[in-house]
Amino acid sequence: NAGVTQTPKFRVLKTGQSMTLLCAQDMNHEYMYWYRQDPGMGLRLIHYSVGEGTTAKGEVPDGYNVSRLKKQNFLLGLESAAPSQTSVYFCASRQYNTGELFFGEGSRLTVL
Amino acid sequence: SQQGEEDPQALSIQEGENATMNCSYKTSINNLQWYRQNSGRGLVHLILIRSNEREKHSGRLRVTLDTSKKSSSLLITASRAADTASYFCATVSNSGNTPLVFGKGTRLSVIA
Repeated sequence: NAGVTQTPKFRVLKTGQSMTLLCAQDMNHEYMYWYRQDPGMGLRLIHYSVGEGTTAKGEVPDGYNVSRLKKQNFLLGLESAAPSQTSVYFCASRQYNTGELFFGEGSRLTVL
Repeated sequence: SQQGEEDPQALSIQEGENATMNCSYKTSINNLQWYRQNSGRGLVHLILIRSNEREKHSGRLRVTLDTSKKSSSLLITASRAADTASYFCATVSNSGNTPLVFGKGTRLSVIA
């Protein structure tokens, strides 16, 4: 049972390039989330999904897009990367809207 | 904006001592959760306390919740060097499918 898997784990981009982070969970969870973590800022919610085909904005959605075409996958896209998007990105999932979160190991993105 | 705020930001203790971290929040909650993050890793769920509970134990962890003061505390007894990590509180509000909102964390260092 892999839990929550994020790919890639590390990536370096140049300003203006695009990329997609993939999150996959094998626990049949309804709810999935993308957070970013920056030094001294804790975790901030980017986008989330309450079920297949749904997405919603979090606290810091600008510059990111997401898709949840399949229940087990939640994709985070950067259309035109900026240095301010240098961060560690965490995906998480949970079964119920009040339950515990299960996190992936993170994806470290550097934008030059 | 951050819902939960942990205090202190950093804590350094000797092995065998107890560690206490506090969390304050702003709005009515369904439950409050504590997570642990080892350096460079994803967050791991430690314990969940519901709004109608006042205290909960799990191994060497003790969590209290005071909804009148909108605060919670996490006590780690007989700390070990392996407890060195960052600890985050997160709240689930009473209103609908809102995601967890995390604080900025307390960095705990346990010195052997």
